[in-house]
Amino acid sequence: DAGVIQSPRHEVTEMGQEVTLRCKPISGHNSLFWYRQTMMRGLELLIYFNNNVPIDDSGMPEDRFSAKMPNASFSTLKIQPSEPRDSAVYFCASTRSAGNYEQYFGPGTRLTVT
Amino acid sequence: GENVEQHPSTLSVQEGDSAVIKCTYSDSASNYFPWYKQELGKRPQLIIDIRSNVGEKKDQRIAVTLNKTAKHFSLHITETQPEDSAVYFCAAGKAAGNKLTFGGGTRVLVKP
Repeated sequence: DAGVIQSPRHEVTEMGQEVTLRCKPISGHNSLFWYRQTMMRGLELLIYFNNNVPIDDSGMPEDRFSAKMPNASFSTLKIQPSEPRDSAVYFCASTRSAGNYEQYFGPGTRLTVT
Repeated sequence: GENVEQHPSTLSVQEGDSAVIKCTYSDSASNYFPWYKQELGKRPQLIIDIRSNVGEKKDQRIAVTLNKTAKHFSLHITETQPEDSAVYFCAAGKAAGNKLTFGGGTRVLVKP
């Protein structure tokens, strides 16, 4: 299995631009999580989906952030417009919603907003 | 919501010594407590986990203990080696497919 796949691995953009991060969960996993990691705030859960349905988006910082999961094998996290304080590593993780609890993390996307 | 506190934030140990990291949680309904290891520039990876029906679990040099009454759990690494140097995160959750709340992380440095 290829594991959780994220793209791009690195993104540098200017303030005000739209940024789209992509995630492909492990095949057969039906829960997907988006996290943001910074030195100041640690590892924060932004939003998670079960069976493509958003369950908890209370961690989404503001309306500039949105996430979708149109099918079981793809999710996007969009920031529009981006700001320098959005600079962070964004991780996607997936798991099954039954049985094994382990969340498998993708390699992350390092976002820099200048 | 759940709140997970983790201590210490940094830990420096001599190679061969033991390392202990402690976490507390606030939601008594939490029943799943994983520990993740994150090496520099890499993704977090699960190293051990424990469920609330068990008080202790071991896997070679690492062990986790859980005290449900006090709502705290700990990670113990024995005979530390330089490759144990990393950031370790504890977390608490309630069910498979449900969200995890992570602690702030502990940066462990093992000095040769």
